[in-house]
Parts: sequence; structure tokens; C-alpha cells
Amino acid sequence: KQEVTQIPAALSVPEGENLVLNCSFTDSAIYNLQWFRQDPGKGLTSLLLIQSSQREQTSGRLNASLDKSSGRSTLYIAASQPGDSATYLCAVRNSGNTPLVFGKGTRLSVIA
Amino acid sequence: DAGVIQSPRHEVTEMGQEVTLRCKPISGHDYLFWYRQTMMRGLELLIYFNNNVPIDDSGMPEDRFSAKMPNASFSTLKIQPSEPRDSAVYFCASSLGHWEGTEAFFGQGTRLTVV
Repeated sequence: KQEVTQIPAALSVPEGENLVLNCSFTDSAIYNLQWFRQDPGKGLTSLLLIQSSQREQTSGRLNASLDKSSGRSTLYIAASQPGDSATYLCAVRNSGNTPLVFGKGTRLSVIA
Repeated sequence: DAGVIQSPRHEVTEMGQEVTLRCKPISGHDYLFWYRQTMMRGLELLIYFNNNVPIDDSGMPEDRFSAKMPNASFSTLKIQPSEPRDSAVYFCASSLGHWEGTEAFFGQGTRLTVV
């Protein structure tokens, strides 16, 4: 059974810092991996999706990498801003006809 | 497309009452998922459908929970009777299957409070 772990559970950084959020998964035979952002009281917004054959994806100040063999993904946020404060969730899918399995998220606070 | 649409956004009900949550997936998506989010357990899958057919309902907590998908554009999650421990945020999501680049898209959720 796939299990997803995110470390740290919470992180507080000053504005402008570059930071890395970690995600690990127990079954490396994944189909894809998706990073989401969730603001308090809101739904989940998809940030990046990495297919199993890819090593990384970039969108603006965000870069997500995938190392399937070690069961790890990282989300890199460059030049953090207070508006980046949210919970970041990692989720993996083991095949096209199975659901996403989520980690418990990293709650990020960027202090101005 | 307006995305995944859930209703109601908030629901407060008394213990023992029936609650029905509704979801309209993105047009053309063939997978629909119901998740529940709590502080303690995070996001848990309750049930998912493929082409309107339930595939796995092993996450449904007990017989008080039921879900249907009568057509490709509508699904319901029903709790009868509701209990205070059912209080959570319930999310619906949809996606296309059979392509690695397919993203799952989530609705805004229904915050359920059972008093």
C-alpha cells in the first residue's frame, strides 16, 4: 500500500529565502506525482505534475523534482513571498486507474 | 469549464439527520473521487468512480455513507444518519485516466459540521 510522507510538517521562513519541501513515497512504481497548494478554508490548487518518465517540472518560482528510484520528490520555491504562505500537499498516483494518495502536507509561513 | 463544482459549501446539521453532498465534475473527465479531510487524518479517499461505476469504496467509513453517480455530470455523497465525528471537509475531484500527464482537479469542498 502506497504511503506518502511530507517533512517538515510546518516551516517558517523570512521573506526572500529559497526553500525546499520534501515528499517521500514507499512504492516507487508511480504513474505521476502532483504538488498542490491549499489556502486556509479553501480547496486544493494544482501547482505542478511530474510524469513518471520526467525528472522535474518548473512553473515560475516553483521547481519540482522527482527521483523515482529513491522514492522522493522535492518542491523548491525561490525567493519566497508572504503570498506563498499556505499548506503544500504532495500526492502520488500508482496507475491511470487508481486515485491519488496524499501526504499530510507542509504548512508554510513566509514572514515579511 | 468552471472546474469541479461542489454544493453546498457549508452544511450544519443536527446529529441523526441525513446529509447529501453534491458534485459536478469537469466535463469529459472519466474519473471522480470523493475525499474527506480532517486535521488528524489529512486527506482520505472515500470512494471513486470510473465512467459512473464505483471502483473502490473501501474508504467509506461505514454503512451510513453511500455514494452514487447516476450520470457523467453528477455525483452525490450521502450520510444517513449523520454523527458529530463526520464533521470534516469533503472534497470531490475529477480527472482523465490513462495518460500520465493528467492532473486531478478539486472542488472547493463542503465543510460539514454535525452538532
